[in-house]
Amino acid sequence: DAKTTQPTSMDCAEGRAANLPCNHSTISGNEYVYWYRQIHSQGPQYIIHGLKNNETNEMASLIITEDRKSSTLILPHATLRDTAVYYCIVRVGGSARQLTFGSGTQLTVLP
Amino acid sequence: EAGVAQSPRYKIIEKRQSVAFWCNPISGHATLYWYQQILGQGPKLLIQFQNNGVVDDSQLPKDRFSAERLKGVDSTLKIQPAKLEDSAVYLCASSLDPRPRSEQYFGPGTRLTVT
Repeated sequence: DAKTTQPTSMDCAEGRAANLPCNHSTISGNEYVYWYRQIHSQGPQYIIHGLKNNETNEMASLIITEDRKSSTLILPHATLRDTAVYYCIVRVGGSARQLTFGSGTQLTVLP
Repeated sequence: EAGVAQSPRYKIIEKRQSVAFWCNPISGHATLYWYQQILGQGPKLLIQFQNNGVVDDSQLPKDRFSAERLKGVDSTLKIQPAKLEDSAVYLCASSLDPRPRSEQYFGPGTRLTVT
C-alpha cells in the first residue's frame, strides 16, 4: 500500500473549518484514500473514504486532487470534540488487506 | 446497534506472566482484527480473521502471541510470556466483510502494562 505523509500537528479555532492535508504521491489507480480519527483513550473511528471523486458525509468532506497524489479532509465547523489524531490511509481496492496506520495528525481545536 | 466490546479495559502484569484479552465484535460482522498500539504510534495489525479462519497473521509474534476465533464470533488474544515491550493498547475491530468499502469499527481497547 502507498505511504502517506501528514503534518504532525495542527491547531484550529472552534467553529472554523479544519483542513487536514495528506500526501500520497505514490498512490496507484486501485487504491482508496481512507480517513480515521482517534480521540484520546478511544479506539479509531471511521470518518470517510474515496477513490477519485470528492466525497461528503455527515462528518466531513474529502477532497482528492485530480492527480490523486494528495487529499484534504475538511471538518466544516470544528468543535472541541473534534480534537483527535487524524489518520490518512491508502488501501488497495478489492483487497482483504488491512489498514496500515501511520502516525497521523494531532488536531487540537482551540476555544 | 451495540459496538465492539472488549475486556478487560486495563491490565497490569509482571514480565514473563501470561495474559488474555477478549473481544466480542458487532453482531453479523464476519471480519475481526486485533491491533497493537504502542504509545505515540498508530495501530499496527496483529491478526485478521474472516469468520473463524486466519486471513493475515504476518505481523503476529507467534513465539509469544496467539489468537483464536473458534465459533466465528468472539475472539481471544493471548500473550505468553509477556515482555516489557508488549506494553500497549490492544484494539479489536470488526467489519461486515474485508472489502475496502466495509468500515472497520473499533472497540475501546485494553491497556496492558507490563512491569
